[in-house]
Amino acid sequence: RKEVEQDPGPFNVPEGATVAFNCTYSNSASQSFFWYRQDCRKEPKLLMSVYSSGNEDGRFTAQLNRASQYISLLIRDSKLSDSATYLCVVTAGGGADGLTFGKGTHLIIQP
Amino acid sequence: GAVVSQHPSWVICKSGTSVKIECRSLDFQATTMFWYRQFPKQSLMLMATSNEGSKATYEQGVEKDKFLINHASLTLSTLTVTSAHPEDSSFYICSAKEGTILYNEQFFGPGTRLTVL
Repeated sequence: RKEVEQDPGPFNVPEGATVAFNCTYSNSASQSFFWYRQDCRKEPKLLMSVYSSGNEDGRFTAQLNRASQYISLLIRDSKLSDSATYLCVVTAGGGADGLTFGKGTHLIIQP
Repeated sequence: GAVVSQHPSWVICKSGTSVKIECRSLDFQATTMFWYRQFPKQSLMLMATSNEGSKATYEQGVEKDKFLINHASLTLSTLTVTSAHPEDSSFYICSAKEGTILYNEQFFGPGTRLTVL
């Protein structure tokens, strides 16, 4: 069983639409959760941390469900510049803070 | 934000040679650095965790004698791929964390693309 599972997509979405991604993680000891964004052949960049209470940053909303081990990301009013691969990331748990990455969900915003 | 650099950006080498990749934190002291690699269409995989002044902790399946990690200062960690082979061709990315607080944000370098012929 993969540690962090995501739908790889691609998701083709018209500009201005709302799109949501999900991921599930297998390690119940994971303590911290993140969404990263990775552009083609570049390093990942932190988009936002994810909390159980849910958190919002502009057009982006993230949610964590610890009971179901499920993380979501919602993007509203999508822009062309949102086209990227979105990586669901959790910490390894057990006192280690190396990151465990999902394979990513590829998002393409179409004009 | 904090800046992490990597050098070289890309390298092409012959099979059997050793390649050293440098990771530097430019404007903060990195107590802990991490090395990841990413094969095409795969997720980033943690290779090892390196704390300044101590031996690196390697993930299961990563050969410590093949991937030598040195973290001699608070701003520099190096990864040496010894006797590289074509299957070692990958995108190697480091990240650095400031301080000792667990789960502090990690800042990623731009990565090094290694191609072994």
